[in-house]
Amino acid sequence: DVKVTQSSRYLVKRTGEKVFLECVQDMDHENMFWYRQDPGLGLRLIYFSYDVKMKEKGDIPEGYSVSREKKERFSLILESASTNQTSMYLCASSPPTGPGELFFGEGSRLTVL
Amino acid sequence: KNQVEQSPQSLIILEGKNCTLQCNYTVSPFSNLRWYKQDTGRGPVSLTIMTFSENTKSNGRYTATLDADTKQSSLHITASQLSDSASYICVPQSGGSYIPTFGRGTSLIVHP
Repeated sequence: DVKVTQSSRYLVKRTGEKVFLECVQDMDHENMFWYRQDPGLGLRLIYFSYDVKMKEKGDIPEGYSVSREKKERFSLILESASTNQTSMYLCASSPPTGPGELFFGEGSRLTVL
Repeated sequence: KNQVEQSPQSLIILEGKNCTLQCNYTVSPFSNLRWYKQDTGRGPVSLTIMTFSENTKSNGRYTATLDADTKQSSLHITASQLSDSASYICVPQSGGSYIPTFGRGTSLIVHP
């Protein structure tokens, strides 16, 4: 079975803290994505990666960075968390032959106090 | 810019009733369109995919339609169940791009 695993389902952090959200997929997919989801706004793309060490900005990259050192792992980093980054974060992967189905993780709900 | 409009924004129905969710899109060039189901607190899961040449596709009690000329799609749910309570997201995809365009979703609540 296809699986995308996000390291934490729930996190509570303080303003200014550095936050790491980890995502691992076991499908050997080239493409990986980080989205945030807020009520009424739907899914918004933060960053995506189409290969190891490759990354592209999405629609809302400000305040975020990413790392993809291995094919199966895509990390989202909040260098200095702020309260407006309180949200649900969803990681997804898809096969290289686009446009393909996105397989999502369970999500990480981040609260920044 | 690619855009997706879904209606209604939210919907409440009684168990056993049917409902239809609508999606209008402006993605170009069009490649395919997926409907995803997202249960509360979970990630979205693909329900069905429609390609340019397909008009109707069923997946159990879910039936999706596509009119590529008018750029409209619908998702019909028959004999709704409590487990159908979820957000349904329309996702048209442009050819040559692996980045889909997500609609904001329709929130469906099925009451007993």
